[in-house]
Amino acid sequence: KAGVTQTPRYLIKTRGQQVTLSCSPISGHRSVSWYQQTPGQGLQFLFEYFSETQRNKGNFPGRFSGRQFSNSRSEMNVSTLELGDSALYLCASSFGANTEAFFGQGTRLTVV
Amino acid sequence: GQQVMQIPQYQHVQEGEDFTTYCNSSTTLSNIQWYKQRPGGHPVFLIQLVKSGEVKKQKRLTFQFGEAKKNSSLHITATQTTDVGTYFCAGLYNAGNMLTFGGGTRLMVKP
Repeated sequence: KAGVTQTPRYLIKTRGQQVTLSCSPISGHRSVSWYQQTPGQGLQFLFEYFSETQRNKGNFPGRFSGRQFSNSRSEMNVSTLELGDSALYLCASSFGANTEAFFGQGTRLTVV
Repeated sequence: GQQVMQIPQYQHVQEGEDFTTYCNSSTTLSNIQWYKQRPGGHPVFLIQLVKSGEVKKQKRLTFQFGEAKKNSSLHITATQTTDVGTYFCAGLYNAGNMLTFGGGTRLMVKP
């Protein structure tokens, strides 16, 4: 069974630009969550999508948005990038609620 | 807001020594999960605890959930170099999969 796939693995962007990250969950998983990991703040929840609906949202500014498609694939978008957005962005898929999360390898975003 | 505190931040041990990391939540948890992240890797699920006072074992790893469902611990007996990595607890407070992660404990094992 294929794992969670995130693309791209690495990105370098300039301040002010926008970026879109993609996540393909494990087949059959309808829940997709996104996390930001930085050395200073650790792992922080961004949002969760379930059956194309945002079910939970973390404490991030509106520049961070996401969506989920009918095939459960998800994208997250960050607009007007800031230097502080440099981080590892992790996607996790789960089969149901309150179940184990399977993480992808992450997308390493560097904002210069 | 809901917060999960985890201590210690770092732990150096000699191979063969025991290791324990502790998590404490500001409010009652629905359940708690534990993950391990190797250097350069992504978090990998270890276990989920749901019931008050629950204790689960996986070989040399023992996981506990407090009676009040506000704290948890992971104990590793006789550490090995393969145990190296960062161990995270992650609390769930409501329906869905919004995990609130502790800061993690980075374990280093000297052979």
